[in-house]
Amino acid sequence: EVQLVQSGAEVKKPGESLRISCEASGYDFTRYWITWVRQMPGKGLEWMARIDPTDSYADYSPSFQGHVTISVDKSTRTAFLQWSSLKASDTAIYYCARVYGRIDYWGQGTLVTVSS
Amino acid sequence: DIVMTQTPLSLSVTPGQSASISCKSSQSLLHHDGKTFLYWYLQKAGQSPQLLISEVSNRFSGVPDRFSGSGSETNFTLKISRVEAGDVGVYYCMQSIHLLTFGGGTKVEIK
Repeated sequence: EVQLVQSGAEVKKPGESLRISCEASGYDFTRYWITWVRQMPGKGLEWMARIDPTDSYADYSPSFQGHVTISVDKSTRTAFLQWSSLKASDTAIYYCARVYGRIDYWGQGTLVTVSS
Repeated sequence: DIVMTQTPLSLSVTPGQSASISCKSSQSLLHHDGKTFLYWYLQKAGQSPQLLISEVSNRFSGVPDRFSGSGSETNFTLKISRVEAGDVGVYYCMQSIHLLTFGGGTKVEIK
């Protein structure tokens, strides 16, 4: 069974750093890219970035380039999304998902709350 | 960037009736290999999105045949026949021919 299990909810202050994770199981990890999608409160889905677990090549949406970093650890089948300095506007649910053309499996989402 | 525009923003449907959602892309989603990289998702309240339709018209595993997709190049439609209470949620189209982009979403409610 394909599963993407994300790390738990986080509460952070503006300016703090954060890394959230997404552990994949049930399939050949290197055959599918991992992608991250943001959903701000009450809003739609926004594509952020994707990464190829084979060689860690990554693409970013222009809207997120330079604001987040995506990475992957093949040995633990885990993908990461990190911020070096959070802003209140980063408050959202972040979904990881498996992608190969289509996104077919999604993680359960990680709620990130940034508040002073 | 490819822009995906969905209409309408919301729909209120009587159970048993049909509903259609339009999705237009700012560029053709037809790849030179013949595939069209257009997908439809449903996000129910409090849940992760779920894949409904791949490559314009191919239903994902377990998706009822009440859901159908059509279209080509830049104009696409998702049709829900015989709408049921369990179909409520927000529907999104997505392209992946160049990076990925989601449409703004269409909220479907039951009358």
